[in-house]
Amino acid sequence: ETGVTQTPRHLVMGMTNKKSLKCEQHLGHNAMYWYKQSAKKPLELMFVYSLEERVENNSVPSRFSPECPNSSHLFLHLHTLQPEDSALYLCASSQGSWTANYGYTFGSGTRLTVV
Amino acid sequence: GQQLNQSPQSMFIQEGEDVSMNCTSSSIFNTWLWYKQDPGEGPVLLIALYKAGELTSNGRLTAQFGITRKDSFLNISASIPSDVGIYFCAGRIIRAGNMLTFGGGTRLMVKP
Repeated sequence: ETGVTQTPRHLVMGMTNKKSLKCEQHLGHNAMYWYKQSAKKPLELMFVYSLEERVENNSVPSRFSPECPNSSHLFLHLHTLQPEDSALYLCASSQGSWTANYGYTFGSGTRLTVV
Repeated sequence: GQQLNQSPQSMFIQEGEDVSMNCTSSSIFNTWLWYKQDPGEGPVLLIALYKAGELTSNGRLTAQFGITRKDSFLNISASIPSDVGIYFCAGRIIRAGNMLTFGGGTRLMVKP
């Protein structure tokens, strides 16, 4: 248990479905992240919420929509996904600061399969 | 953006052997981190380095922050089967705030 909890652990969805991934951190951190990890590819940063400011990777398709209602919860809303979106989606949190030198704490991930 | 070149991409070694992997960049980093990811899990922090030249150990693991601040290496001594996984380096530059840049990972396989 890392203090970052992701649900569900596994998700199979059709291309017309709408689903949401949930992440919750119990570490008192103030920054949260979504990463996509595909087979044989580097970790891809999708979205960051840090000190209430959202930063996103402009290459992420609009079918992925993040929501961060407070500093402890992060969601990734999914709709009309494609098979190539199948991947492990990792949530991470950190003590976001321009001067802090802390690493990220990752959750166990949600294994998403789009059929 | 900043890129971290991590090598090797994969290693298949015999149990008991020592392992070495490294990350290099054209950018200067002020923090280097090494993570391990077990199959089906998220990455877990192994070692954090904050000063150029710093050498830090965690059990059989040793990592160093390069003097030029553009590289770092991780050594694993006397490997065991549970060392199997993907090892990631990550670095942070000052102007990027708390944003980390990750290497592509080194997949380690250990033969008993």
